[in-house]
Amino acid sequence: GENVEQHPSTLSVQEGDSAVIKCTYSDSASNYFPWYKQELGKGPQLIIDIRSNVGEKKDQRIAVTLNKTAKHFSLHITETQPEDSAVYFCAASIYNNDMRFGAGTRLTVKP
Amino acid sequence: NAGVTQTPKFRVLKTGQSMTLLCAQDMNHEYMYWYRQDPGMGLRLIHYSVGEGTTAKGEVPDGYNVSRLKKQNFLLGLESAAPSQTSVYFCASSYLSQVDGYTFGSGTRLTVV
Repeated sequence: GENVEQHPSTLSVQEGDSAVIKCTYSDSASNYFPWYKQELGKGPQLIIDIRSNVGEKKDQRIAVTLNKTAKHFSLHITETQPEDSAVYFCAASIYNNDMRFGAGTRLTVKP
Repeated sequence: NAGVTQTPKFRVLKTGQSMTLLCAQDMNHEYMYWYRQDPGMGLRLIHYSVGEGTTAKGEVPDGYNVSRLKKQNFLLGLESAAPSQTSVYFCASSYLSQVDGYTFGSGTRLTVV
């Protein structure tokens, strides 16, 4: 089955700096790659996703890039703010019922 | 629009006790899922359902049972709780038509002592 690895496990940046979280996946058939943000005491919330026919997608300060050849994808957050502090999860799937999640990255944005 | 609602939010069980976690969604989603979240291990799929009356095993199904008698509800049962089942449990739902992002509930924190 699919295996998703996520790095780093913790990331601390200064407010205004950029943050990058990287994930690799094992199954070349995976075609959907979402990113979730989990704030303390809440469930994960979808923040951006990308499909295998697209190399990059942006939404305001966040962007995701996908390299199918290398089987890795990344989340980029620019101009970080304290409210970006959370745990971020990447995931990969082929079908609805086989989504595999990375172990998560705890991002801390210091004011 | 409530989205995905989980009850209860917290529960403490003694080893061997049973309980049921309830998940309800009001988005008319076909797919529903139960995940557990443990430190350093991300989210692992316990069971899922592709529609009313159907259920299937996920990655870590042992010790759990599920039922989907109504499209909007997905129940997770623990017949005989064990300390290894101490975790945060999340329910999620999604559309059937294509692979898409999940909508998660706010979670149930379960402690088995």
